[in-house]
Amino acid sequence: QQQVKQSPQSLIVQKGGISIINCAYENTAFDYFPWYQQFPGKGPALLIAIRPDVSEKKEGRFTISFNKSAKQFSLHIMDSQPGDSATYFCAAKADWVRTDKLIFGTGTRLQVFP
Amino acid sequence: ETGVTQSPTHLIKTRGQQVTLRCSSQSGHNTVSWYQQALGQGPQFIFQYYREEENGRGNFPPRFSGLQFPNYSSELNVNALELDDSALYLCASSLSLSYEQYFGPGTRLTVT
Repeated sequence: QQQVKQSPQSLIVQKGGISIINCAYENTAFDYFPWYQQFPGKGPALLIAIRPDVSEKKEGRFTISFNKSAKQFSLHIMDSQPGDSATYFCAAKADWVRTDKLIFGTGTRLQVFP
Repeated sequence: ETGVTQSPTHLIKTRGQQVTLRCSSQSGHNTVSWYQQALGQGPQFIFQYYREEENGRGNFPPRFSGLQFPNYSSELNVNALELDDSALYLCASSLSLSYEQYFGPGTRLTVT
């Protein structure tokens, strides 16, 4: 019940296309859902995050869509660029519990070709 | 404002040895969390420190221990290193509990 399932494992998109990464969770106690971007040899960088009280959040070319009833959320990258090539992790946590730990998905390696 | 920093960048140790990894949290942040990231996997929570006290730990054995100092920097100690301990160790700091977590660049530990 603590797992966050992420798909696809890898994704190849042409420059200018839309990249879509999906995540699903079981634990209804989760109430914070961030996405992290990680380049090789670097730590994860917080990209965008959402809470269950909204169904969508957009920041620039990045959008999170959230479906509370289906317990699913997804990251959409519009107008994908070669510089977006990285590994993306979804995560979840329950803010109200004592330990403030993030549960991560297994990651999606995105490659954007020019 | 400086971000989260970690030292050393890389480390090679022999099985059975002990290692200490260090993390300086972002200015003003009082919460530090440590994660282990095996190759090709997502980060796994090790433990968290809030205002110098351990605030929960994940499914890691007691040979993984930590400390947080009055300036909120932190260290992770691993005793009796095993080959499976080879991973990227990440430190994340947050303003307080329930705030966004910002990661450092990590320490790559190789156990031979």
